[in-house]
Amino acid sequence: KAGVTQTPRYLIKTRGQQVTLSCSPISGHRSVSWYQQTPGQGLQFLFEYFSETQRNKGNFPGRFSGRQFSNSRSEMNVSTLELGDSALYLCASSLASGGPGDTQYFGPGTRLTVL
Amino acid sequence: SQKIEQNSEALNIQEGKTATLTCNYTNYSPAYLQWYRQDPGRGPVFLLLIRENEKEKRKERLKVTFDTTLKQSLFHITASQPADSATYLCALATNQAGTALIFGKGTTLSVSS
Repeated sequence: KAGVTQTPRYLIKTRGQQVTLSCSPISGHRSVSWYQQTPGQGLQFLFEYFSETQRNKGNFPGRFSGRQFSNSRSEMNVSTLELGDSALYLCASSLASGGPGDTQYFGPGTRLTVL
Repeated sequence: SQKIEQNSEALNIQEGKTATLTCNYTNYSPAYLQWYRQDPGRGPVFLLLIRENEKEKRKERLKVTFDTTLKQSLFHITASQPADSATYLCALATNQAGTALIFGKGTTLSVSS
């Protein structure tokens, strides 16, 4: 089975621009979660989508948004980029019973650099 | 305030020894605790999950313990090998947070031959 794929792998943007990142989950997985990883804060949960609905949300500003399509593929969008948004953005999929015991399968991440 | 801490940023051990990594948390009531491995430039890979009512879990050379009284989990790698060198992350899952994981910042393990 193919793993979680994320595109693009690397991205360079300038302040004020917006960016869209894409994630394709493992076949059969219906839940997609997004995380931001920085050296200072570590891995932080952004949001989770299940059946095209946002089911859970972390503590990030409204500039961070996402969506999920009927085939479970997901995109996240960051508008009005700030320097502090430079990070590794990780997508994870799970079978999602919806409970805390779900194992997350992570993609390789998208490295976003904001100049 | 809520915190999850992995006590060492870095741990250096010799091949063949047992590596022990610590994860402590405060002001959480985790239903599950998970351990992940992350290699440079890659996403975390799931290793082990332990439930709040379990004391110990094993998988090959890996062992994890979970003490909800001490609010601590220990992760052991026995007979360590250079290939075990990586960053290890602990993550809490709570009933309130759904599938969201709360991660520690990780411990980077280096195993020298």
